[in-house]
Amino acid sequence: KNQVEQSPQSLIILEGKNCTLQCNYTVSPFSNLRWYKQDTGRGPVSLTIMTFSENTKSNGRYTATLDADTKQSSLHITASQLSDSASYICVVSAHSPGSARQLTFGSGTQLTVLP
Amino acid sequence: NAGVTQTPKFRVLKTGQSMTLLCAQDMNHEYMYWYRQDPGMGLRLIHYSVGEGTTAKGEVPDGYNVSRLKKQNFLLGLESAAPSQTSVYFCASSYRPTLSTDTQYFGPGTRLTVL
Repeated sequence: KNQVEQSPQSLIILEGKNCTLQCNYTVSPFSNLRWYKQDTGRGPVSLTIMTFSENTKSNGRYTATLDADTKQSSLHITASQLSDSASYICVVSAHSPGSARQLTFGSGTQLTVLP
Repeated sequence: NAGVTQTPKFRVLKTGQSMTLLCAQDMNHEYMYWYRQDPGMGLRLIHYSVGEGTTAKGEVPDGYNVSRLKKQNFLLGLESAAPSQTSVYFCASSYRPTLSTDTQYFGPGTRLTVL
């Protein structure tokens, strides 16, 4: 069964500090990996997407890495801001030829940035 | 563009009642999806559609029905609501998925409580 596990479940940091969120997956056959940001009471919004051949992707202060060999990804947030407080969800896509794409969602890391 | 919109935002039902959740998108996306999000769990796919007039089952389809009569709308129905269907429901849409461009755009969610 495809699984995506994220750690930590929750994280509290001070404004201006950096942090790294982890995602481990057992999804096959791997197609791509995304990180989404979900503000409280809102739908998820895509931050980055990486395919098998990409090992890093940046979006402003967000940098995602992918190690397809160890099946791990991380999301690094630099110089955190209060608006970074949200749930960050790792989503892994599997796709076999001739079948529908399957997405497996992690349960998210709840990040709280304090002033 | 409004993106993906959902109606209603909140709803309280009694066990056995029925209701329909409406999702609309104005991005001319071919694919549309219904998910549910429960505390401590990742989003789970209920049903999806790859085009007007088509629907398919996802991971947790039991107790739900869907229809896609128009390309821009995707309806989720609960014929006889049960307390286990208390959840936050998200609709999403996307272009036809490719290896690196299958980003899904989510609506704001509908919070449903079944008493």
